[in-house]
Amino acid sequence: DIQMTQSPSTLSASVGDRVTITCRASQSISSWLAWYQQKPGKAPKLLIYKASSLQDGAPSRFSGSGSGTEFTLTISSLQPDDIAIYYCQQYNSYWTFGQGTKVEIK
Amino acid sequence: QVYLVQSGAEVKKPGASVKVSCKASGYTFTSRYIHWVRQAPGQGLEWMGIINPIGGNSTYAQKFLGRVTTTRDTSTSTVYMDLGSLRSEDTAVYYCARANSRSSRSAFDIWGQGTMVTVSS
Repeated sequence: DIQMTQSPSTLSASVGDRVTITCRASQSISSWLAWYQQKPGKAPKLLIYKASSLQDGAPSRFSGSGSGTEFTLTISSLQPDDIAIYYCQQYNSYWTFGQGTKVEIK
Repeated sequence: QVYLVQSGAEVKKPGASVKVSCKASGYTFTSRYIHWVRQAPGQGLEWMGIINPIGGNSTYAQKFLGRVTTTRDTSTSTVYMDLGSLRSEDTAVYYCARANSRSSRSAFDIWGQGTMVTVSS
């Protein structure tokens, strides 16, 4: 099984800050990686797929990069509406999620 | 508009089974795989399985083999997830989610609202 490890587990930043979340795969997954945003009591929402493709409707301040085993999600300017938990997911071999990164406003 | 609408909350006793439905609308039902994902209270997301709406064939996560069955009804554009031998650790919100392309190697672009399943004696 492919394991996905996110860091940090919690991130506290100010409005307007550039924020980066890292996701590492236990083996190469090429670019088969997605990022989701989940707000309390809601279903996850797809932000990025195939490592760097922005999902229709997702704000352009979200971007993804990486390939192989190391990936990043960047929020270029943190907004209050971005408070959520973010999950990475590999879909190279079956489907596995990272443990999540909670983003808070400082 | 594309929607996945799930059935309502369930309370079950240990050892029982639960069947959750997921009705698709707004797109061609047979054009996209459907996945099931669960989330225990305060925990992360866990993939359970995938069903191909065309032939109905399914693949499950190793953890759930022998306990989970997914089926579909193309006449009503509905997918079902049946989980048996329930235990307290199965208490979770269960989501269905649509593949974002015609390939099985896809992310999940549309999610149901979630179905809370509580297992308690």
